[in-house]
Amino acid sequence: GIQVEQSPPDLILQEGANSTLRCNFSDSVNNLQWFHQNPWGQLINLFYIPSGTKQNGRLSATTVATERYSLLYISSSQTTDSGVYFCAVVNTGFQKLVFGTGTRLLVSP
Amino acid sequence: DAGVIQSPRHEVTEMGQEVTLRCKPISGHNSLFWYRQTMMRGLELLIYFNNNVPIDDSGMPEDRFSAKMPNASFSTLKIQPSEPRDSAVYFCASSFADTNYGYTFGSGTRLTVV
Repeated sequence: GIQVEQSPPDLILQEGANSTLRCNFSDSVNNLQWFHQNPWGQLINLFYIPSGTKQNGRLSATTVATERYSLLYISSSQTTDSGVYFCAVVNTGFQKLVFGTGTRLLVSP
Repeated sequence: DAGVIQSPRHEVTEMGQEVTLRCKPISGHNSLFWYRQTMMRGLELLIYFNNNVPIDDSGMPEDRFSAKMPNASFSTLKIQPSEPRDSAVYFCASSFADTNYGYTFGSGTRLTVV
């Protein structure tokens, strides 16, 4: 099946710093989502972005489907950004949402 | 919309007991998914339904697990008998297959089997 790799696995930032999280996938996709799992365990949908670029406040995401990767940018990080960020994809022709292993982010004050 | 609603939020049960997890998808969504999250295996798909029909249950770990979707607004995941290794967070998600809005997840059920 499709493989989803995320990097880095762990990231520690000072409040106010910027960061870039990467997601590589091994096959064509018709769905790609970025999720934030907060410390309470909730999975929050950040972006639905199978291609192109989107922005939402301090967060933005870019997916280059032809090169099979997606990037999540976090600017001016805040302590509330802490948690695990997951990339998840649906392989073209299928319906399963397959998750990467996540990037664990800790933003310290 | 209230989103995907799961119950209970937490469940502690003794080994050997039956456990039933419940999910109400977003109204109008026609696909429903059950995921399990553990430290060892991450987030893995157990089963999904399209229009209340099970499409792929290859992720269901064994016969102790069963899932039903009797109508468009309700699904259950049952474990009988439960075992300590079933301890995990179980998520339900729904989507509308023909749109580009992706999947929405519920808050999950944290199951502990002692």
